[in-house]
Amino acid sequence: DQQVKQNSPSLSVQEGRISILNCDYTNSMFDYFLWYKKYPAEGPTFLISISSIKDKNEDGRFTVFLNKSAKHLSLHIVPSQPGDSAVYFCAARSRGSNYKLTFGKGTLLTVNP
Amino acid sequence: DVKVTQSSRYLVKRTGEKVFLECVQDMDHENMFWYRQDPGLGLRLIYFSYDVKMKEKGDIPEGYSVSREKKERFSLILESASTNQTSMYLCASSLDTVRKTQYFGPGTRLLVL
Repeated sequence: DQQVKQNSPSLSVQEGRISILNCDYTNSMFDYFLWYKKYPAEGPTFLISISSIKDKNEDGRFTVFLNKSAKHLSLHIVPSQPGDSAVYFCAARSRGSNYKLTFGKGTLLTVNP
Repeated sequence: DVKVTQSSRYLVKRTGEKVFLECVQDMDHENMFWYRQDPGLGLRLIYFSYDVKMKEKGDIPEGYSVSREKKERFSLILESASTNQTSMYLCASSLDTVRKTQYFGPGTRLLVL
């Protein structure tokens, strides 16, 4: 039973355009959400997070939007750069667990020059 | 900067061998985690530890065990390696705070022949 779903395995965008990566979740107990970026042969690196009490968090070119009623979050990258090409993982923490994160399967973003 | 290091980047072992994967973090984090990453499956939690000598099973603990004798070190043990344990293994650590951001090591790519 997949509680965090990233339905698009891959996404391709042109440099300078907006990249939108989507994530859906099913567990109502999730109260904190994170996005990680992973290059090949490296560990994931933390990108941005959002608490369930907010609907938007921004950090430079990266913005995460949370729609609790739809159980949906999205990561916007504007403008996209070739160096953003990586696998992006959505992750969620349950209110009932202090430690565990549940990860989605990831979306491979390719930004073409 | 948080630093999480893993003992090997690449490892080749034979079926039936006992395999040790070591992870060390230098930020005095309480929580440490072992994941495996496989294509199309994302990150799956094997085991985690929230204190020295404390451990809990993750989502896929079968065939694995762990050891945490010191706060900074968390070891993953494959008692008898099998070919289906060929994977990328990722270690992570986190503080016991509200944000719960996990910091990852570079990963160990294990090939079991």
